[in-house]
Amino acid sequence: GAVVSQHPSWVICKSGTSVKIECRSLDFQATTMFWYRQFPKQSLMLMATSNEGSKATYEQGVEKDKFLINHASLTLSTLTVTSAHPEDSSFYICSALVGQLMNTEAFFGQGTRLTVV
Amino acid sequence: SQELEQSPQSLIVQEGKNLTINCTSSKTLYGLYWYKQKYGEGLIFLMMLQKGGEEKSHEKITAKLDEKKQQSSLHITASQPSHAGIYLCGADVGSGNTGKLIFGQGTTLQVKP
Repeated sequence: GAVVSQHPSWVICKSGTSVKIECRSLDFQATTMFWYRQFPKQSLMLMATSNEGSKATYEQGVEKDKFLINHASLTLSTLTVTSAHPEDSSFYICSALVGQLMNTEAFFGQGTRLTVV
Repeated sequence: SQELEQSPQSLIVQEGKNLTINCTSSKTLYGLYWYKQKYGEGLIFLMMLQKGGEEKSHEKITAKLDEKKQQSSLHITASQPSHAGIYLCGADVGSGNTGKLIFGQGTTLQVKP
């Protein structure tokens, strides 16, 4: 299957600093990528849709100024958590859409564990 | 809004036993995904179902989507310790394959050797 790679796998940052997470499609081009967040022992919650060349679309309740998404190329989307606080500590995971019409599939990266201290 | 309900929430089985995990949607499913996740790791794609009555198998795992496209089941035959993990069903929120998914709460599977 298609490969989606996230970097870093884990990061620890101080409260108030910003952290950037990268999501790359390694062997295909992805015009659309998605960012999810998963708190301990909970399921994945969609945060935003990242669109190459245009603004991201955020889900209700997700602060767009806090979670900056940039999708500057067909193989890379970045999520920047600005002015991080301990409550932002979570597992962030991206996915990319592969295929067209009725043959699309969503492949996920390995995730990034963010700990804000 | 659409919701996915998984059952059971957790499951402990003896190695070699069969098991079934269910995923029920409040709305018609247009794309139903099954993933496996180990805690703190990414999601491993298992299968995707789209058509009512569709059934797919890979190794010892079989997934089915009912005719009404509102319920899916994941069946593992002769479970092994390597099957342990969290199983998530995800559904496309649109009426087509948008890739934008909502997820069930997950089913944690433990397999005792």
